[in-house]
Amino acid sequence: DTEVTQTPKHLVMGMTNKKSLKCEQHMGHRAMYWYKQKAKKPPELMFVYSYEKLSINESVPSRFSPECPNSSLLNLHLHALQPEDSALYLCASSQGEITGLEQYFGPGTRLTVT
Amino acid sequence: DQQVKQNSPSLSVQEGRISILNCDYTNSMFDYFLWYKKYPAEGPTFLISISSIKDKNEDGRFTVFLNKSAKHLSLHIVPSQPGDSAVYFCAASGSAGNMLTFGGGTRLMVKP
Repeated sequence: DTEVTQTPKHLVMGMTNKKSLKCEQHMGHRAMYWYKQKAKKPPELMFVYSYEKLSINESVPSRFSPECPNSSLLNLHLHALQPEDSALYLCASSQGEITGLEQYFGPGTRLTVT
Repeated sequence: DQQVKQNSPSLSVQEGRISILNCDYTNSMFDYFLWYKKYPAEGPTFLISISSIKDKNEDGRFTVFLNKSAKHLSLHIVPSQPGDSAVYFCAASGSAGNMLTFGGGTRLMVKP
């Protein structure tokens, strides 16, 4: 099973809303990632969790708050977003954080901020 | 500064022929390279990878070639099939753990 699931598939939220994106994997992977992808652009790394601890934050604004409740789950809490935050948010996982391990991606959550 | 570049935004190939997708990188610390395929409204799907200690890796119809001196890699798909039509991203890691740096993508269209 190489599946990473993400919910919801689509999300529309206003700039004053608080919402959360969820990601789950049951492959026993110990590293999980959040990426942001704008239209016609490559995915850009936002956060990396390794063994449930935040190891990399790519200078992401504080209106995005990641959380890793356990080794299978990864959340992204959203608050006071801007319209330019509208994008496809992708979750990925890999066996570990060392280089050379394939990352498996979920289908993404399409976020629209109005 | 783009560390991974795919200079061809699109490529059109006839079914049954070879598709060659190219990727260049600038960071000499990269030591692992991957190709992902992406359909619209889906996440990237891992295709094939290569370590910097190799110059070729093959998996079925897919072969990746790495030329370290030129900092260039390519993905060959033979024979190409209409179902291969998608956006292909090359990605690299190694300069800082398993962080992936993606190229801009190449849209492949395989015509029946």
